[in-house]
Amino acid sequence: EAGVAQSPRYKIIEKRQSVAFWCNPISGHATLYWYQQILGQGPKLLIQFQNNGVVDDSQLPKDRFSAERLKGVDSTLKIQPAKLEDSAVYLCASRGTSFGETQYFGPGTRLLVL
Amino acid sequence: GENVEQHPSTLSVQEGDSAVIKCTYSDSASNYFPWYKQELGKGPQLIIDIRSNVGEKKDQRIAVTLNKTAKHFSLHITETQPEDSAVYFCAANLRGVTGGGNKLTFGTGTQLKVEL
Repeated sequence: EAGVAQSPRYKIIEKRQSVAFWCNPISGHATLYWYQQILGQGPKLLIQFQNNGVVDDSQLPKDRFSAERLKGVDSTLKIQPAKLEDSAVYLCASRGTSFGETQYFGPGTRLLVL
Repeated sequence: GENVEQHPSTLSVQEGDSAVIKCTYSDSASNYFPWYKQELGKGPQLIIDIRSNVGEKKDQRIAVTLNKTAKHFSLHITETQPEDSAVYFCAANLRGVTGGGNKLTFGTGTQLKVEL
């Protein structure tokens, strides 16, 4: 079974520029998560989708971050404009429908904002 | 919301020794506790998990224990090997009041180094 795919793997941009990340979850997984992982810290949830609907975006900085999952499969996370403090790894994870089922993580996109 | 604390932040052991990492959580409603291993440049991978109706679970050299009363859970790795060197994260899952709202809160991670 294919895992969670993410692209690009690395991105370097200057502050105030925009950037977008893409995630394709495991086939059939209804729930998709985006996390931000700052160096030396655990992943922090940004947004959670159930199919194409948002379940939780309470920690998403909505003035600059946006995410969508229009067809309930793959998803994009966008930052516009980027700040220095957005430098982090952006992880996508997906989960099946049963309670407590594992979240499977992709390899992440490493973003450096200069 | 949930808060998860993890100790120690770094752990160095000799090959063949045991390693123990401890976590505490704050919300007594949390009822699923996974442990993830993250190698350099990779995403976190689940290594073991435990549900709140179980006190202990073992998978070969890895075991997890849960004390619901004290809100503690621990990861035990026996007979450590160099390939166990990585960052380990504990997490607690809190089921949302709305359908499908399972939410993981992660600890801050433990850098485990297994020395030859």
